[in-house]
Amino acid sequence: RKEVEQDPGPFNVPEGATVAFNCTYSNSASQSFFWYRQDCRKEPKLLMSVYSSGNEDGRFTAQLNRASQYISLLIRDSKLSDSATYLCVAYNNNDMRFGAGTRLTVKP
Amino acid sequence: GAVVSQHPSWVICKSGTSVKIECRSLDFQATTMFWYRQFPKQSLMLMATSNEGSKATYEQGVEKDKFLINHASLTLSTLTVTSAHPEDSSFYICSAWTGNQPQHFGDGTRLSIL
Repeated sequence: RKEVEQDPGPFNVPEGATVAFNCTYSNSASQSFFWYRQDCRKEPKLLMSVYSSGNEDGRFTAQLNRASQYISLLIRDSKLSDSATYLCVAYNNNDMRFGAGTRLTVKP
Repeated sequence: GAVVSQHPSWVICKSGTSVKIECRSLDFQATTMFWYRQFPKQSLMLMATSNEGSKATYEQGVEKDKFLINHASLTLSTLTVTSAHPEDSSFYICSAWTGNQPQHFGDGTRLSIL
């Protein structure tokens, strides 16, 4: 079983839709969590950190549920430019584990 | 913001060639650098963790004699793919860690072995 699991998708949504991704992690000692965005053939770029209290950055909301060991990312009013692969990451003591990524395509 | 430079960005070479990839932190000192590999439509897979001045720690299944990592300074780590073969063709990405999360990634190196 992978340490970090995501639904690979693809998620195909129309512009303006709200889409949510979930990610589960198996290491209960994981301390920090992040969502990265990766465009095709490019390096991952940090989208946002995930805090226990939940956090929001514009159209993006991230939440962490430690009891159930999952994190989520919600994208509201999706734009064409949101099309990418979204990677969730669990971090523990110099050990960073990536999920396989969820591919999102936003269509006009 | 923190910048990590990775070079070269694209390499095409014959089977049996050794290829060196450099990863530099340009405006900060990185105590730890990570090397990842990504095959098409798959996630990043950690290959090894490199600490300045010490031997790299390799993930299970990664051959340390094939993927030589050197982290001679706080701003430079290199990955050498020795005697590369077509199955080594992949996207290699380095990242640097300052001790403050999260990591800063290089632009990646696309390696194609013919």
